[in-house]
Amino acid sequence: EPEVTQTPSHQVTQMGQEVILRCVPISNHLYFYWYRQILGQKVEFLVSFYNNEISEKSEIFDDQFSVERPDGSNFTLKIRSTKLEDSAMYFCASIPGLAHANTGELFFGEGSRLTVL
Amino acid sequence: GIQVEQSPPDLILQEGANSTLRCNFSDSVNNLQWFHQNPWGQLINLFYIPSGTKQNGRLSATTVATERYSLLYISSSQTTDSGVYFCAVLRSGSARQLTFGSGTQLTVLP
Repeated sequence: EPEVTQTPSHQVTQMGQEVILRCVPISNHLYFYWYRQILGQKVEFLVSFYNNEISEKSEIFDDQFSVERPDGSNFTLKIRSTKLEDSAMYFCASIPGLAHANTGELFFGEGSRLTVL
Repeated sequence: GIQVEQSPPDLILQEGANSTLRCNFSDSVNNLQWFHQNPWGQLINLFYIPSGTKQNGRLSATTVATERYSLLYISSSQTTDSGVYFCAVLRSGSARQLTFGSGTQLTVLP
C-alpha cells in the first residue's frame, strides 16, 4: 500500500539552528500538508501546498517557516532559526489533488519528532 | 471554526474488554477520519468515514453525519491498542484543513 514517508524520524538540534524536515508524499499525489503536534496537545494545521505554492497557512506558520518541493518527489519544511517552542511532532500529509481538498482522505506520514535544546 | 470534542478523555481497560470512543462535532463535515497515535508518537490512519459504518478487524467506526457524531468501537482490546485516539474533521464548505479533537488516551492493562 502506498504511504507517505518522513525523515528524519527524530532530530535533536540546538536553539537557533536551521532544520529541514523531509517528506515523500504518495507518488501520484499533488496536494500536500504539514501539521504540528506539541507534546500532549492537539494536532494543528500549519500549511498546505499545491501547484508549487502555498495554498493556505495558519497563524502558526510565520516567517520562520518555509516549504518547498525541490524535486518531483520531496516536500520539505524548513525552520530557519529554531526556538524551544518548535519542539514538536511534525506530520506530513498528502491527497491526490485539489478536487479532493474538500472531501478526500488525508494520508499521513508517521511523523518527525523535533527536539530543540 | 468547527469544534471537535472527544470523550472520554481517558480510558483504562483490562485486556479483552470492549470500548466505545465518541467524537462530536459542531458543524456539517465532508470528511471524518480516526487515527491512532502510538506511544512513539506515530499517527496511524484507522478510518476515513464521513458517513456510515466500516469495520477493520477488531475495530469499527460509525458516523452519523446528520447528528454530528462518530463512534469508534474497539473489541477484545489488546495492550498494543494503547495510545491516543484522535478524530479529525473537514468542515463542509471552503475548509481544506482537518480539525483535530483533543483525543482519547486509552490504556489497556495486561
